[in-house]
Amino acid sequence: QVQLVESGGGVVQPGRSLKLSCSATGFIFSDYGMNWVRQAPGKGLEWVGKISYDGSKKNHVDSVKGRFTVSRDDSKNTVFLQMHGLRAEDTAVYYCARDNIAVVPSGAYYYYMDVWGKGTTVTVSS
Amino acid sequence: SYELTQPPSVSVSPGQTATVSCSGDELGEKFVSWFQHKPGQSPVLVIYQDYLRPSGTPQRFSASNSGSTATLTISGTQSVDEADYYCQAWDSTTAIFGGGTKLTVL
Repeated sequence: QVQLVESGGGVVQPGRSLKLSCSATGFIFSDYGMNWVRQAPGKGLEWVGKISYDGSKKNHVDSVKGRFTVSRDDSKNTVFLQMHGLRAEDTAVYYCARDNIAVVPSGAYYYYMDVWGKGTTVTVSS
Repeated sequence: SYELTQPPSVSVSPGQTATVSCSGDELGEKFVSWFQHKPGQSPVLVIYQDYLRPSGTPQRFSASNSGSTATLTISGTQSVDEADYYCQAWDSTTAIFGGGTKLTVL
């Protein structure tokens, strides 16, 4: 059974750091890129970042660049989100999502987030 | 930066057809995914690559994408379909989500 389980959330003071984990089971983890997506209270979904299947490419939304980093450890089937310099506006439920891939008629690749975890809550507050 | 615009809310009577729109500059040139998100649960992929349904998505869900608008259609809407719906597309290497549409079945 394909499953993603996030952990590591909690209450943290502004300016501090936190590292989230997402453990994967039920599929060949090293074949897939992984995303982090968050939802602030009362707000919509916001993509945070992504790491490619082999870890060679990482992309992050502008609002977290320089503060957050996505990484992975294929030996542990786990993707991480290292967060530094946390701000009140980073308060959210953080989800990890698998990046599946399709080859479209033009021959290009198309990525879509097909499996999601249940999320872990991060609260940034003094 | 690229933006996707959705109506904040849509209401539909049970058994009727619900449509949720998602607009963006030349959106038809991109591929769109749609997610269903119920309170306290994980988002669920219901449509990918504009119109394809993952296994598990009921056939009453369909979608299209052309010009500047993508549309999610739910035929014969059921109470279990009440949720927030998000469209999503890639702008180069950045995933963009629409603001979400709250579908109310009443």
